[in-house]
Amino acid sequence: GDSVTQMEGPVTLSEEAFLTINCTYTATGYPSLFWYVQYPGEGLQLLLKATKADDKGSNKGFEATYRKETTSFHLEKGSVQVSDSAVYFCALSDQNTNAGKSTFGDGTTLTVKP
Amino acid sequence: DAGVIQSPRHEVTEMGQEVTLRCKPISGHNSLFWYRQTMMRGLELLIYFNNNVPIDDSGMPEDRFSAKMPNASFSTLKIQPSEPRDSAVYFCASSWGPQAVSNEQYFGPGTRLTVT
Repeated sequence: GDSVTQMEGPVTLSEEAFLTINCTYTATGYPSLFWYVQYPGEGLQLLLKATKADDKGSNKGFEATYRKETTSFHLEKGSVQVSDSAVYFCALSDQNTNAGKSTFGDGTTLTVKP
Repeated sequence: DAGVIQSPRHEVTEMGQEVTLRCKPISGHNSLFWYRQTMMRGLELLIYFNNNVPIDDSGMPEDRFSAKMPNASFSTLKIQPSEPRDSAVYFCASSWGPQAVSNEQYFGPGTRLTVT
């Protein structure tokens, strides 16, 4: 079945540092890929997405590129801020095989210190 | 757009009591998901509806849990009887559904359930 493996956390960075959170996936079909972010006390919200190979999703300075050859969708940001402290979830949705469900990674907690 | 609405936001109840959590999905969305999140087990999918029909309830932990979706704008998750191990944050999410080009999910703010 489908699965998502995320870099284990927690991750602690200083403000303005470069961020990478690794995500790899296994899927039998051609999934769409997502990064969600969860701020303390809130639900998950979509950060960015990519629906086909080589697409790059971007939002709020975050980027991720859909790499089919390495089955990866790593999240990057060039300069993190304290306000980026949150839990980040990588997810996939394969419309052909899982009827609209999404498979989520375990989440990576990011703490940014001033 | 009001987003996904969940009620109550917080629920504290005693073991053995019935608990009902409510969800109003985004208008026009035809898929609805119930999740449970805890520190120990992370985010778990409990049940998934498409066009008001339950598609996959394999994540429902046991018979004490039940979910309904009587119409496109309302769903409930019921726990009867509740137990302390049911304490968690319960999220409802909705999406355009499996036929959409991009079916990202929109999450509600969650209901924090504490069973004493």
